[in-house]
Amino acid sequence: EPEVTQTPSHQVTQMGQEVILRCVPISNHLYFYWYRQILGQKVEFLVSFYNNEISEKSEIFDDQFSVERPDGSNFTLKIRSTKLEDSAMYFCASSPTGEGASPLHFGNGTRLTVT
Amino acid sequence: AQKITQTQPGMFVQEKEAVTLDCTYDTSDPSYGLFWYKQPSSGEMIFLIYQGSYDQQNATEGRYSLNFQKARKSANLVISASQLGDSAMYFCAMRESFYNFNKFYFGSGTKLNVKP
Repeated sequence: EPEVTQTPSHQVTQMGQEVILRCVPISNHLYFYWYRQILGQKVEFLVSFYNNEISEKSEIFDDQFSVERPDGSNFTLKIRSTKLEDSAMYFCASSPTGEGASPLHFGNGTRLTVT
Repeated sequence: AQKITQTQPGMFVQEKEAVTLDCTYDTSDPSYGLFWYKQPSSGEMIFLIYQGSYDQQNATEGRYSLNFQKARKSANLVISASQLGDSAMYFCAMRESFYNFNKFYFGSGTKLNVKP
């Protein structure tokens, strides 16, 4: 069964550094998302992406963050100048359509640790 | 106002018994989807079951069923014949269709522990 693939599974970085989290969504899906989950807390929406542009972003998704779909298969989340509070599990998800019936298919997540 | 409310932070159930995890939601959109996800300790998010707002019957998927009460805006997950492997965090989520199709709203989750 096709799945969403995220790399790396765990990333450790120093405060102030830039990180790029990578995702390969399911190939025929059209909607892409990034969510994050601070340890033990709820899953928070960051951004959605459709037709090569951001559809919507949350208050969390400020100028520190950016997304890109550079080559038609990868979907990346860049976090500039990382802070301690950016430590979280970051989930990429994709969906075949934007309709209410479509579930999000999640990757296994990247655990980001900022030291 | 919270879009999705899960009032049970933790639940215990005896192996082989049934358990109900509560979820209420808030939307004015007539068309929406309700979802349940399982998150084991390994961290991945696993889609379990879906219920559409116009579906007349409650959704079922194997041992999972969704008790959908539209007037009460509740979408409780029922797990029958609990197994040790069901121990995990469970999230209820909603996707609104017309006005905010981009976003899934997640509840705060319920941690289920299945006792042998």
